[in-house]
Amino acid sequence: EDQVTQSPEALRLQEGESSSLNCSYTVSGLRGLFWYRQDPGKGPEFLFTLYSAGEEKEKERLKATLTKKESFLHITAPKPEDSATYLCAVQERGGADGLTFGKGTHLIIQP
Amino acid sequence: ETGVTQSPTHLIKTRGQQVTLRCSSQSGHNTVSWYQQALGQGPQFIFQYYREEENGRGNFPPRFSGLQFPNYSSELNVNALELDDSALYLCASSWAGQGVGYTFGSGTRLTVV
Repeated sequence: EDQVTQSPEALRLQEGESSSLNCSYTVSGLRGLFWYRQDPGKGPEFLFTLYSAGEEKEKERLKATLTKKESFLHITAPKPEDSATYLCAVQERGGADGLTFGKGTHLIIQP
Repeated sequence: ETGVTQSPTHLIKTRGQQVTLRCSSQSGHNTVSWYQQALGQGPQFIFQYYREEENGRGNFPPRFSGLQFPNYSSELNVNALELDDSALYLCASSWAGQGVGYTFGSGTRLTVV
């Protein structure tokens, strides 16, 4: 059974203080690993898809990396508007096509 | 390019009742999937529809059912509502079920009392 574990559950940073969020996963064969951002009362907003170990993607202050067992979302010099819950999800090759999500990391950036 | 729209935004139902939630897919997308998100949890996959047929299902009982229409819009039906069905229900659309950029709607908040 697919498993996705995110850590930490919550993280409070000062504006400009860089950090990383972790997503550990267990899947028979990875079709893709996804990062989403979710604001309160909203649906998840797509950030990145990673397909194979060693792959990296960047968008503004965010950078996602992937190994065979985990993914990191690096946040460089964050701003208060980066405050949100960050969700990691995996899709298994040959599976039911659904995404298996972790519980998310609740990130707060203080000015 | 329109995004994924869901209706209604909020709904209150009584235990034992039935509910229908609606979703309009993003333009150009032919696959729709539904997720249940309890408070403080990640979304859980309910099922997916492609070409009007269910082609994937998560660990949800048969009282959760759905439809996809020729215009790729979709419905989620839940019968015999239970208190634990209270959650945010999310619809996501994509092209042919590919993982690239599933687009989510803002969800329907269902409260069962």
